[in-house]
Amino acid sequence: EPEVTQTPSHQVTQMGQEVILRCVPISNHLYFYWYRQILGQKVEFLVSFYNNEISEKSEIFDDQFSVERPDGSNFTLKIRSTKLEDSAMYFCASSIGVSGNTIYFGEGSWLTVV
Amino acid sequence: AQRVTQPEKLLSVFKGAPVELKCNYSYSGSPELFWYVQYSRQRLQLLLRHISRESIKGFTADLNKGETSFHLKKPFAQEEDSAMYYCALSGFDTGNQFYFGTGTSLTVIP
Repeated sequence: EPEVTQTPSHQVTQMGQEVILRCVPISNHLYFYWYRQILGQKVEFLVSFYNNEISEKSEIFDDQFSVERPDGSNFTLKIRSTKLEDSAMYFCASSIGVSGNTIYFGEGSWLTVV
Repeated sequence: AQRVTQPEKLLSVFKGAPVELKCNYSYSGSPELFWYVQYSRQRLQLLLRHISRESIKGFTADLNKGETSFHLKKPFAQEEDSAMYYCALSGFDTGNQFYFGTGTSLTVIP
């Protein structure tokens, strides 16, 4: 069964450093997402991406965040200057279509900012 | 506004006992409701969705529009059911977003 894959599984970075989290969505999916889960809190929507552009973003997704689909398979989340409060599990997800379609999640990338 | 409420943060049941994880939602249109499960150190996985009306791993959930609920039920809990369970909502007005509840951690006691 195809899966969404994410790398790295865990990254520790110093405050102020740039971080890139990588994702390979399921190959025939057209919509891509990033979600975040701070330890002990709920899963929060960050951004959705379709047709090479952001389709929606939440208040969390401020100017320090960016997403990119650099080639036909990867989907990346960049955090330009990490803050302590960016420490969280970041989930990439993808779906075939829009509302009501099942979203498939990757295993997550655990980011620790020190 | 779309809201998903899971009132129980923690739930413990004995093996073989029935289990019900509560989910209530607030949505002005016709929602699509989902249950996702996250086993220890694993990804979020779709458990079931209301439109498919299927039973997965013995779990069922019925959408009750009158009570705006989508409670997850299983008649006989198993130890391997211990996990974090998230109720999620999607709909025409939410675009591509899923709105997740805060999750319920289920522990099945042997």
